[in-house]
Amino acid sequence: DTAVSQTPKYLVTQMGNDKSIKCEQNLGHDTMYWYKQDSKKFLKIMFSYNNKELIINETVPNRFSPKSPDKAHLNLHINSLELGDSAVYFCASSQVRDLNQPQHFGDGTRLSIL
Amino acid sequence: AQSVTQLDSQVPVFEEAPVELRCNYSSSVSVYLFWYVQYPNQGLQLLLKYLSGSTLVKGINGFEAEFNKSQTSFHLRKPSVHISDTAEYFCAEKGTPLVFGKGTRLSVIA
Repeated sequence: DTAVSQTPKYLVTQMGNDKSIKCEQNLGHDTMYWYKQDSKKFLKIMFSYNNKELIINETVPNRFSPKSPDKAHLNLHINSLELGDSAVYFCASSQVRDLNQPQHFGDGTRLSIL
Repeated sequence: AQSVTQLDSQVPVFEEAPVELRCNYSSSVSVYLFWYVQYPNQGLQLLLKYLSGSTLVKGINGFEAEFNKSQTSFHLRKPSVHISDTAEYFCAEKGTPLVFGKGTRLSVIA
């Protein structure tokens, strides 16, 4: 019944590796997001896709590449991982036509770079 | 640009005491406001939302918030907190994406 699901929940890897995080939503929403939450709990938007089209791309290193195969999925691929990439990454979704409706969040992926 | 300010980064409070978490928003038109809670090692859950109508909004777990247009505030309150309320609380304003405050860490002390 999970509305927004992310995998994996924990990801521990070494600097320089390439990794992917997957996200799927079963709410029928047309927009999906990736957020980064740092150690101070600050939430920063990274990307947003509406119907598979990129609509928000904040100042994020180009080592981060989102991919949306369909509007229910938004995956995040990270190349050449760096120590500063350690954070919790949250996927979210919403129906953007209904701006008064909240975003729904996944449980997060805790990325630790060794 | 829209901004949301949460005035307190940390709020310690004793169990069964009342609590208020402060939030100020910047938008002057069509304000939609939300409070989210993040329990340790979990994602964000919606506590309550203000869209229009009554300025006092009731949410889950006994929380409520009051929309005050003149003070551009949307403070979150609970009359008696429990240990299980220990979490990070985020105020957010409508947008695509939502505009989040920096969060307030509520620590309930036994």
